[in-house]
Amino acid sequence: DAKTTQPPSMDCAEGRAANLPCNHSTISGNEYVYWYRQIHSQGPQYIIHGLKNNETNEMASLIITEDRKSSTLILPHATLRDTAVYYCIVSGATNKLIFGTGTLLAVQP
Amino acid sequence: DGGITQSPKYLFRKEGQNVTLSCEQNLNHDAMYWYRQDPGQGLRLIYYSQIVNDFQKGDIAEGYSVSREKKESFPLTVTSAQKNPTAFYLCASSIEGVLREAFFGQGTRLTVV
Repeated sequence: DAKTTQPPSMDCAEGRAANLPCNHSTISGNEYVYWYRQIHSQGPQYIIHGLKNNETNEMASLIITEDRKSSTLILPHATLRDTAVYYCIVSGATNKLIFGTGTLLAVQP
Repeated sequence: DGGITQSPKYLFRKEGQNVTLSCEQNLNHDAMYWYRQDPGQGLRLIYYSQIVNDFQKGDIAEGYSVSREKKESFPLTVTSAQKNPTAFYLCASSIEGVLREAFFGQGTRLTVV
């Protein structure tokens, strides 16, 4: 499974969009990009995933670059409850979720 | 309600004792996983099972053992051979090969004194 690189932390003002980047330059053709988040001392929660196309659901949007080497998770209107560690994961044939250290998003009032 | 349950939430053990962490799911998921999380760190995969009576080592399996006798249950035993057992342990399950639907339990915080 390809490795991912994320900034260790980011701040965002409440009500503004939070844009969380992820680099996955070694991603291969059959690997998906998954995003999970973990609120302090809880189990991670699935947010969204994609292969090539941009995706949107009720929680977030996922923008994947045309070359698939990077992606951005967008929370359109961040709230204080969105403060969490966000994990970008790339997985394919091994069917395993391998977590890195993620990005700690701090939403400020 | 369907879900994945870990028990207990907090567990204390003396050094040198084996301890078993429970994980039960009623989601009818084939795949189950055990992760370990240390303070300020991401999750590291200990063991995973894709089907009953079968399991594979993850990245940090040494000092741990698992069994998968039933689809619903995937208990993890932390043995005395695990050198640093104090950690937050998370269990997850998913439909086999469908990682977008991985559900996590609320975790067990194990402290060995």
